[in-house]
Amino acid sequence: KAGVTQTPRYLIKTRGQQVTLSCSPISGHRSVSWYQQTPGQGLQFLFEYFSETQRNKGNFPGRFSGRQFSNSRSEMNVSTLELGDSALYLCASSLGGRENTEAFFGQGTRLTVV
Amino acid sequence: QKEVEQNSGPLSVPEGAIASLNCTYSDRGSQSFFWYRQYSGKSPELIMSIYSNGDKEDGRFTAQLNKASQYVSLLIRDSQPSDSATYLCAVKGSTLGRLYFGRGTQLTVWP
Repeated sequence: KAGVTQTPRYLIKTRGQQVTLSCSPISGHRSVSWYQQTPGQGLQFLFEYFSETQRNKGNFPGRFSGRQFSNSRSEMNVSTLELGDSALYLCASSLGGRENTEAFFGQGTRLTVV
Repeated sequence: QKEVEQNSGPLSVPEGAIASLNCTYSDRGSQSFFWYRQYSGKSPELIMSIYSNGDKEDGRFTAQLNKASQYVSLLIRDSQPSDSATYLCAVKGSTLGRLYFGRGTQLTVWP
């Protein structure tokens, strides 16, 4: 079955612009989590969506937002881009229940802010 | 703050050796534990999950869990150069149900 799909794979933006990243989870998965990964900080949790509701949120400024649609696809938006937002953005999908469930990552979107 | 700590790397082992990766966590109520492998420039790939105390084996990989000690480890037997990657330990939090990741241990297997 198809894995987690993130689009686009690469993106170059200018400071001050905004960007929208997309994540299509594995069929049947209702939870989508977003992470930022930089060499110095490792994997940083942004937020998690489950059944169109934000269930968890990390410690990122309000410039980072997300949403989830009824088909479980999720988008992440970053407004007023800063140079420090350059990173690999990863999403992971899972069934989302409270029981033991595994999360699978997409290929990521590499964002470069210039 | 739910913390996941991994043994500091990088870890370097010769081909054919056993690589041992360790992880401790602070959330005593956690019940689900995972190991991911991440090659340079790629996304993390789930390689092991473990939920019960003891050992779980999958090919050359063995995950070990000790909930009393809040400790989880990954052993890679007969290490191969293709195992060279960063290994991430992840723990599912008991309260919010989200995953908490360690910073990873970089493993190099030299021929």
